[in-house]
Amino acid sequence: DAKTTQPPSMDCAEGRAANLPCNHSTISGNEYVYWYRQIHSQGPQYIIHGLKNNETNEMASLIITEDRKSSTLILPHATLRDTAVYYCIVSDYKLSFGAGTTVTVRA
Amino acid sequence: KAGVTQTPRYLIKTRGQQVTLSCSPISGHRSVSWYQQTPGQGLQFLFEYFSETQRNKGNFPGRFSGRQFSNSRSEMNVSTLELGDSALYLCASSGLAGGMIADTQYFGPGTRLTVL
Repeated sequence: DAKTTQPPSMDCAEGRAANLPCNHSTISGNEYVYWYRQIHSQGPQYIIHGLKNNETNEMASLIITEDRKSSTLILPHATLRDTAVYYCIVSDYKLSFGAGTTVTVRA
Repeated sequence: KAGVTQTPRYLIKTRGQQVTLSCSPISGHRSVSWYQQTPGQGLQFLFEYFSETQRNKGNFPGRFSGRQFSNSRSEMNVSTLELGDSALYLCASSGLAGGMIADTQYFGPGTRLTVL
């Protein structure tokens, strides 16, 4: 069973930042937070992951609260190509995908 | 570096038949995981192989099986196909040993299986 809670959908204006929340209140100390996205009918694509500290890469930033019970994925300048289902995953040996958040970027 | 490749990309079978799907991981990756994606159940973990050994298994019936070869390529087999097996089957590879803390997994494009 998925250990995370995400809003089912959200809209974002092109060029604006998209902030995707995720709750993972039962996360354990050695579990990482991973974010993947899936564009329609393609395989999921890795975005970013973190343990305690905030992380940034060329795609996004990940902000993890101090108590690690929630996190936010930030897409700094959303484009139409960022329209996808975004999955927040708390990892153990396998990735347990929930329903994710369907993000629609509008022109 | 080439990504994860899966063959075939599309497959149509009839009930009762069996099917074999193939996955070639990213060069140097030794862990291969398989997932099933359906509209009703979402993405579900099937099993994971590392060094030709199944390390972890999801909650699927015995009709679903897999294997991994010495070159890390993996196959999964579904016997006695049912209509409900129609799905996108995804393979993912990672560089660390399975069964330990999860490593970043890189997914292939999937095989779309339709059972008639």
